[in-house]
Amino acid sequence: QVQLVESGGGVVQPGRSLRLSCAASGFTFSSSGMHWVRQAPGKGLEWVAVIWYDRSNKYYGDSVKGRFTISRDNSKNTLYLQMNSLGAEDTAVYYCARDASGGHSGTFDFWGQGTLVTVSS
Amino acid sequence: QSALSQPASVSGSPGQSITISCTGTSSDVGGYNYVSWYQQHPGKAPKLMIYEVSNRPSGVSNRFSGSKSGNTASLTISGLQAEDEADYYCSSYTSSSTGVFGTGTKVTVL
Repeated sequence: QVQLVESGGGVVQPGRSLRLSCAASGFTFSSSGMHWVRQAPGKGLEWVAVIWYDRSNKYYGDSVKGRFTISRDNSKNTLYLQMNSLGAEDTAVYYCARDASGGHSGTFDFWGQGTLVTVSS
Repeated sequence: QSALSQPASVSGSPGQSITISCTGTSSDVGGYNYVSWYQQHPGKAPKLMIYEVSNRPSGVSNRFSGSKSGNTASLTISGLQAEDEADYYCSSYTSSSTGVFGTGTKVTVL
């Protein structure tokens, strides 16, 4: 069965960096577009970034553009999110989600359980 | 990219039908049939309920249905059940090749 397991969350000071990982199994990872979606405590879902199956295209939400970088290693079935210049507004549970296509179809058909990032001094 | 607009809350009695709206613009909801809906119970990950406006994934009850008219998409839950009490989010592909979610709707079963 499809499994997505996020890791790398924790408490980080403002201005510092953090890298999240998402280990995928149960499907052909190298054929799927992948997303990061976040949810601040008590708030709604916010789309963060997408990477196509072959890394040919990457797109970001306005609030993270220039600070976050999405990447993937298809040989390791792993998705990453490098987060730099973190601020309190980045405090959230970060989910990785599989796209129903190799790119961005607007359909997130499987989700991980999320990893919590807390930005605090 | 502004969030899509959803009502903050919708409620109904068991067995009734409710509809949740999701309003965007011609650059997202109105421009593409790439609207999806997600159910989220407290402390859990979101679950896909409807994709491409009106398609149901395997395993999702046929009590859930979706539609779209212009810049507004809708999710209807018929035969409301206690287990349907959750937060619901719409999502759309955008003209910038990004994604956008709705503000979220809390469904309460009275």
